Amino acid sequence: KAGVTQTPRYLIKTRGQQVTLSCSPISGHRSVSWYQQTPGQGLQFLFEYFSETQRNKGNFPGRFSGRQFSNSRSEMNVSTLELGDSALYLCASSLDRVPASYEQYFGPGTRLTVT
Amino acid sequence: QKEVEQDPGPLSVPEGAIVSLNCTYSNSAFQYFMWYRQYSRKGPELLMYTYSSGNKEDGRFTAQVDKSSKYISLFIRDSQPSDSATYLCAMTVIPNAGGTSYGKLTFGQGTILTVHP
Repeated sequence: KAGVTQTPRYLIKTRGQQVTLSCSPISGHRSVSWYQQTPGQGLQFLFEYFSETQRNKGNFPGRFSGRQFSNSRSEMNVSTLELGDSALYLCASSLDRVPASYEQYFGPGTRLTVT
Repeated sequence: QKEVEQDPGPLSVPEGAIVSLNCTYSNSAFQYFMWYRQYSRKGPELLMYTYSSGNKEDGRFTAQVDKSSKYISLFIRDSQPSDSATYLCAMTVIPNAGGTSYGKLTFGQGTILTVHP
């Protein structure tokens, strides 16, 4: 079974621009979570989507948004990029079915550099 | 204070050593505990997954959870140079209908482990 895929793998953007990152979950997984990973803050939860609905959101500004499509693929968007948005953005998918629902499988991440 | 504390190391051990990695947490609602391994410039890879207190073994890896002490551990036996990576603990509560916990794992900072030949 194919794992979680993320595109693009690397991205360089300028302050003030916007960016869209894509995530394809493992086949059959309906929950997709997004995380930001930085050396200083570690892995921080951005939001989670299930059946095209955002069910949970972390403590990030409104510039960070996402969506999920009917095939469970998900995108996240960051508008008005700031230097501090430079990070590894990871998405993870899970079955969302007890008791397996809490196991999350991560993609390779998209490394975003803001200059 | 962070909800999950993990010693960042770095930890350096000789090949064949037993490695002990630990995390403490403050939220008593955490019930599911995971250990991930992350190689440089890769995404985290799920190693172990345990529920509530107790032990779980998988090959050279043993995960322990002590909810009374709010303390979890990962032991690696017969460590190999290929085990060199960052190890992250993660935990979550049971999602509820209020939607305050769906899909959210809370991570430790990660411990950098090097196993030298």
